[in-house]
Amino acid sequence: AQKVTQAQTEISVVEKEDVTLDCVYETRDTTYYLFWYKQPPSGELVFLIRRNSFDEQNEISGRYSWNFQKSTSSFNFTITASQVVDSAVYFCALSEFRFYFGTGTSLTVIP
Amino acid sequence: DTAVSQTPKYLVTQMGNDKSIKCEQNLGHDTMYWYKQDSKKFLKIMFSYNNKELIINETVPNRFSPKSPDKAHLNLHINSLELGDSAVYFCASSQNREAGSTDTQYFGPGTRLTVL
Repeated sequence: AQKVTQAQTEISVVEKEDVTLDCVYETRDTTYYLFWYKQPPSGELVFLIRRNSFDEQNEISGRYSWNFQKSTSSFNFTITASQVVDSAVYFCALSEFRFYFGTGTSLTVIP
Repeated sequence: DTAVSQTPKYLVTQMGNDKSIKCEQNLGHDTMYWYKQDSKKFLKIMFSYNNKELIINETVPNRFSPKSPDKAHLNLHINSLELGDSAVYFCASSQNREAGSTDTQYFGPGTRLTVL
């Protein structure tokens, strides 16, 4: 069974639109961590955020925001006023003893 | 001041050859990893080392052998390369002082391996 599900394989938005990338995870542990990574066309994997299972506060960093809801086992990522530079593949990940990556969502922002 | 570096960035080779990819981190981390990313962008962990000791060894063919001479280096040697080995290989490191991967993993730039 998939530990991390990113149901949206590809998303296209027009610049300045807001977009939300969904992430649903599955775990029986009470202590775990959730992550988002960005992989731009250049190929590197860039760390964006890490949250622990005890901190359900939403987080905002500039145009990025994250909504963590344990009740629905979701950790969604919203980009506000998207820009072309946001075009990338975004990975959600769950860490228990080991890391589990989702299959990624490819975001294309059209100018 | 590169954090996690890999060499080479690109590797093109013939089937049957043996090749190595080197990884070094200067973050002072205790745990290092190798991942394989296929053409569909799926990231799969291959190995994890904590303080030079093998912690995670996923179902990877014996042709893949990691070597960690010290905790700052984790190299990947691949014997008898096959077409299906073509992928991007990422090295990563995290601070975890014990086995387990709860700390943030920082990735190298990747090595694109093409087997002809």
